[in-house]
Amino acid sequence: QQQVKQSPQSLIVQKGGISIINCAYENTAFDYFPWYQQFPGKGPALLIAIRPDVSEKKEGRFTISFNKSAKQFSLHIMDSQPGDSATYFCAATPYNNNDMRFGAGTRLTVKP
Amino acid sequence: NAGVMQNPRHLVRRRGQEARLRCSPMKGHSHVYWYRQLPEEGLKFMVYLQKENIIDESGMPKERFSAEFPKEGPSILRIQQVVRGDSAAYFCASSPRGAERGYTFGSGTRLTVV
Repeated sequence: QQQVKQSPQSLIVQKGGISIINCAYENTAFDYFPWYQQFPGKGPALLIAIRPDVSEKKEGRFTISFNKSAKQFSLHIMDSQPGDSATYFCAATPYNNNDMRFGAGTRLTVKP
Repeated sequence: NAGVMQNPRHLVRRRGQEARLRCSPMKGHSHVYWYRQLPEEGLKFMVYLQKENIIDESGMPKERFSAEFPKEGPSILRIQQVVRGDSAAYFCASSPRGAERGYTFGSGTRLTVV
């Protein structure tokens, strides 16, 4: 069963624009929320992650916003670049449990 | 400082043959996870292993699939009597014991059943 719902399935953004990908979860035991970036032919790579004790985490052009009451979190990519074109996966895992569940993925295309 | 090593990168099998996928976790990582990714789809959890133990195999098909992580050597995902529907990318990830829970993924094995 899908425990993490991700949208949109695909996203096209102009260079310099903001890319926003959303995820929602149901299991209140989840307490670690990473985002992974995957280029074609490669394995997913950890991009940025957040714990529910903060509402936002920023690393360079990438920001996670977290809404614990709504059980939603999102990835914002500022000043999107063509090199950001990839598939992005959100994920979640409960505390002290290594069983991570992934969203279905968002294929981002940044047009030059 | 090698990352998670998976081999082979590409594997072609005829229907009915066996496929063996190998995964060597990062040095110091004792937790291994296998995921399957179908074309244009997300990552589906299959199995979570620690050395010599299967911790969670709730995502594994009941038949034809098995996994192991022996005391010595890589983790093995074994698919017996492969069918066309088994064609997918299989990713292995590892994480250290009791530490940061971000996984490190390998580059995957792309299985094609002909």
